[in-house]
Amino acid sequence: DAGVIQSPRHEVTEMGQEVTLRCKPISGHNSLFWYRQTMMRGLELLIYFNNNVPIDDSGMPEDRFSAKMPNASFSTLKIQPSEPRDSAVYFCASREGFANTGELFFGEGSRLTVL
Amino acid sequence: AQKVTQAQTEISVVEKEDVTLDCVYETRDTTYYLFWYKQPPSGELVFLIRRNSFDEQNEISGRYSWNFQKSTSSFNFTITASQVVDSAVYFCALNGNTGKLIFGQGTTLQVKP
Repeated sequence: DAGVIQSPRHEVTEMGQEVTLRCKPISGHNSLFWYRQTMMRGLELLIYFNNNVPIDDSGMPEDRFSAKMPNASFSTLKIQPSEPRDSAVYFCASREGFANTGELFFGEGSRLTVL
Repeated sequence: AQKVTQAQTEISVVEKEDVTLDCVYETRDTTYYLFWYKQPPSGELVFLIRRNSFDEQNEISGRYSWNFQKSTSSFNFTITASQVVDSAVYFCALNGNTGKLIFGQGTTLQVKP
């Protein structure tokens, strides 16, 4: 079975440009999570969805960040405009069910570099 | 508020040594789940174990073992007879009633041949 699929794997862009990261969760999983990983701040939860509905976006750093989940098989994380401090690895993860019992399955991550 | 603390930033051992990675957590929830994930140099996050707050039995899986002590809010991870392939960053994580999985800062383990 396919795992969580993220694209692009690597993105290099210039400050001010719009960046869109994409995620396809594991089929049948009801919850989807976006994390950001940096050396300074570690793994931070940005936002998570249950049944395509955003449940908690308190980790989204600023209005420049937005996330959508138009259907059960696709989510995007958009940064507009991007800044150098947004450089990080962005992970998408999915989980079966809504409860806190299950483990998260992570994608391979999207490494973003903003120049 | 929920918090996970991994006080050891980096650990270096020689192959075949045993090593314990510490994890201390904070939560007010009575029901919660604790996890360990491994992040090898390739970058992906690999699930290792899940433990619920009502099950304090220790668990062993091959060379890996976990010690959950509710009294000290700790969920420590021991690798016996470490191998070079164990070199990775290891994350402890907590999921309480909010449904959010909160990670510790991670411990970088280097196993030297």
